[in-house]
Amino acid sequence: EAQVTQNPRYLITVTGKKLTVTCSQNMNHEYMSWYRQDPGLGLRQIYYSMNVEVTDKGDVPEGYKVSRKEKRNFPLILESPSPNQTSLYFCASSLIGTSGYNEQFFGPGTRLTVL
Amino acid sequence: AQSVTQLGSHVSVSEGALVLLRCNYSSSVPPYLFWYVQYPNQGLQLLLKYTSAATLVKGINGFEAEFKKSETSFHLTKPSAHMSDAAEYFCAVRFQGAQKLVFGQGTRLTINP
Repeated sequence: EAQVTQNPRYLITVTGKKLTVTCSQNMNHEYMSWYRQDPGLGLRQIYYSMNVEVTDKGDVPEGYKVSRKEKRNFPLILESPSPNQTSLYFCASSLIGTSGYNEQFFGPGTRLTVL
Repeated sequence: AQSVTQLGSHVSVSEGALVLLRCNYSSSVPPYLFWYVQYPNQGLQLLLKYTSAATLVKGINGFEAEFKKSETSFHLTKPSAHMSDAAEYFCAVRFQGAQKLVFGQGTRLTINP
């Protein structure tokens, strides 16, 4: 089954304790992206990757890191989480092509609480 | 600046009534347009997308959307609401020359029995 998986689905942690949220897709997509969802703000892009070893900042990158060492994986790293990073996080992937109609496929989300 | 606006953060309709969720974009060149739905505790699922083949696009679960270039709009409709339609709906836009999806703020749809 074609899918994007994220782990963990739920995480409660404390300020300053490094954490990693994993994301994996099995569709051979070049493009991967992380979003955070906050009430009234929709989804905002944190980081994205156009291919292996190619990553770039989105709209709200402060406090986050990513890596793309393999095509299928795109982990999100919070080296020193703070309470303002409490949010719902989504990973997404899509093909890159000449057409702009390629939809993004989303993971189930990770609900993070930083105390 | 290029942007996406969804009018109404909450919409409430009765079961069987018409659903209308509004989306407007700001761009001089028509972008690529999508509607996603998010059911409680789930990820986003594609409802439909505009592909330029026709201005009226049919999606899953009886939803459809009409692209109106003159109004820079891509409103989502469903003739008769069902209780299972209760969810949050997001309009998303890919502007020309970009890979990124820009999302509206979302509209939470409530269905009253």
